[in-house]
Amino acid sequence: GQSLEQPSEVTAVEGAIVQINCTYQTSGFYGLSWYQQHDGGAPTFLSYNALDGLEETGRFSSFLSRSDSYGYLLLQELQMKDSASYFCAVRSLGQNFVFGPGTRLSALP
Amino acid sequence: EAEVAQSPRYKITEKSQAVAFWCDPISGHATLYWYRQILGQGPELLVQFQDESVVDDSQLPKDRFSAERLKGVDSTLKIQPAELGDSAMYLCASTQGTSGANTQYFGPGTRLTVL
Repeated sequence: GQSLEQPSEVTAVEGAIVQINCTYQTSGFYGLSWYQQHDGGAPTFLSYNALDGLEETGRFSSFLSRSDSYGYLLLQELQMKDSASYFCAVRSLGQNFVFGPGTRLSALP
Repeated sequence: EAEVAQSPRYKITEKSQAVAFWCDPISGHATLYWYRQILGQGPELLVQFQDESVVDDSQLPKDRFSAERLKGVDSTLKIQPAELGDSAMYLCASTQGTSGANTQYFGPGTRLTVL
């Protein structure tokens, strides 16, 4: 089977750097995605890592270590609008995606 | 910008009734997914279509749930009969290409409440 673990909650002040970790167990691993979901909204794509290393997209970066079955999402210069739930999702051999339980990020003024 | 459309946005029904949800993916997207998301949890895949064919429905409770994508474009998810535990957000997503690309585009979802 497949399983993913994320911290349930993270809190930080505006301007801070926040890291949300994700560990996974799966067979036939293809890649790791990150999605943001505001309350009442739909998930929106942030990033995808298929290879080891860091991918940067503006204030968001995502890291993957395939050997450690581990990845993280890094948010720089945290803003109030970043308060949302963040999900990692593993893309597996069957081409589908399995989502983690989500991390609720709260930005404080 | 093209979006995934879903309707209705909200549905309230009584248990044992039938409900149906509709999804229209982004034009040209061959792969379509239906997910169920219980409040406070991550989306759980119910069914995946490649064009009109079911690729994965291993997590679909087939005794009460059915899904179809007859012409390989829009899709319908049905629950009959609905149970209290079916209360959740039902999300539709699509990806470009036949091999299942990396970016899923989600619709706004249908929030189902079963009384």
